[in-house]
Amino acid sequence: EADIYQTPRYLVIGTGKKITLECSQTMGHDKMYWYQQDPGMELHLIHYSYGVNSTEKGDLSSESTVSRIRTEHFPLTLESARPSHTSQYLCASSERQLNTEAFFGQGTRLTVV
Amino acid sequence: AQKVTQAQTEISVVEKEDVTLDCVYETRDTTYYLFWYKQPPSGELVFLIRRNSFDEQNEISGRYSWNFQKSTSSFNFTITASQVVDSAVYFCALSEAWGNTPLVFGKGTRLSVIA
Repeated sequence: EADIYQTPRYLVIGTGKKITLECSQTMGHDKMYWYQQDPGMELHLIHYSYGVNSTEKGDLSSESTVSRIRTEHFPLTLESARPSHTSQYLCASSERQLNTEAFFGQGTRLTVV
Repeated sequence: AQKVTQAQTEISVVEKEDVTLDCVYETRDTTYYLFWYKQPPSGELVFLIRRNSFDEQNEISGRYSWNFQKSTSSFNFTITASQVVDSAVYFCALSEAWGNTPLVFGKGTRLSVIA
């Protein structure tokens, strides 16, 4: 069973608010990822990190930012939430070794009203 | 560029039927890895299998089996004697060894197993 946690599970927030979605893993994984899942199910990579102080943007342009100050923690921040940010956000982590499987958290379902 | 195509958006079967979920991939890399994940209604993605490009042996795990064919760039997933608990969205994914790229997912196939 994977030990990766996301909080909150559900969040309803007003337009213009700043929010941070938390993601923590206790497996000591070097690699961490954020995926955005639209209502049509498709998963889009928005950010990833291969270690502390390393972050990269993914394939889908996103107005969010991430930080990786500690190995176990990979928060995602929206400075000013908009209704277009309404989505499911999934965090994942994997080992340093080449192309190992990623383990996913339960996700945060964000609604911006 | 890497790409994964799951042409079946939704499939409905009656319990105990066999069902095959299709996955076709594109990559320029000669070394790559293929994955299947299950996403039940609770939302988290559950890892099912990882296969590297040099291992074309089919794999069976209980009621699940996977057929990897490099000649057709396919990595299909079959559930035998389906059960209601198999109802979920299933994702196929690809990761290229060159650049150690993150997973690229197909659009998913929603499987509904009806009692």
